[in-house]
Amino acid sequence: DQQVKQNSPSLSVQEGRISILNCDYTNSMFDYFLWYKKYPAEGPTFLISISSIKDKNEDGRFTVFLNKSAKHLSLHIVPSQPGDSAVYFCAAREYGNKLVFGAGTILRVKS
Amino acid sequence: EAQVTQNPRYLITVTGKKLTVTCSQNMNHEYMSWYRQDPGLGLRQIYYSMNVEVTDKGDVPEGYKVSRKEKRNFPLILESPSPNQTSLYFCASSLLGQGAGNNQPQHFGDGTRLSIL
Repeated sequence: DQQVKQNSPSLSVQEGRISILNCDYTNSMFDYFLWYKKYPAEGPTFLISISSIKDKNEDGRFTVFLNKSAKHLSLHIVPSQPGDSAVYFCAAREYGNKLVFGAGTILRVKS
Repeated sequence: EAQVTQNPRYLITVTGKKLTVTCSQNMNHEYMSWYRQDPGLGLRQIYYSMNVEVTDKGDVPEGYKVSRKEKRNFPLILESPSPNQTSLYFCASSLLGQGAGNNQPQHFGDGTRLSIL
């Protein structure tokens, strides 16, 4: 049973518009959430994170929102750029030493 | 340049032939981990290590072994590979373990694609 779910396998957005990637989780013990970006033939790279005690974290064009009551987080990219085209993984940390990853969402930004 | 290096990047081999995937990091990180990525399943943790000589199982450890004799190296060993271990493997490291109070993200290698025939 997947504890972290990214229900949209892919998303296509026009350049300059907003990209919203969603992630749902089931484990209320997760205390920290991260987004990773992955290009083909490369490893995932850290993008942005949020602690469970916050509801928003912003870094440039990237903002992560956390809704604990709904067990939902989202990544907003504004404005979207063609270079943002990649696979985005949502990950959640259990208290301890493990990250649990979602299956990923392929983002395509069209120019 | 700070990096996690995996070798080989690609390998095609046959069932039962022992293989080792090496992982090395140059950031003096204490925590290292192995993941496999399969379609529709994301990244799943195989083994992790909190420090030298300290290793523990992740979610999918069956069929794998690891060792941590030195801080910088964390090899993944498949003693008798089988076709269901065909996957994309990633090694990762971070300064400390992922416990509460430490928000250091993991740094990933570029991956090793294994095909077991």
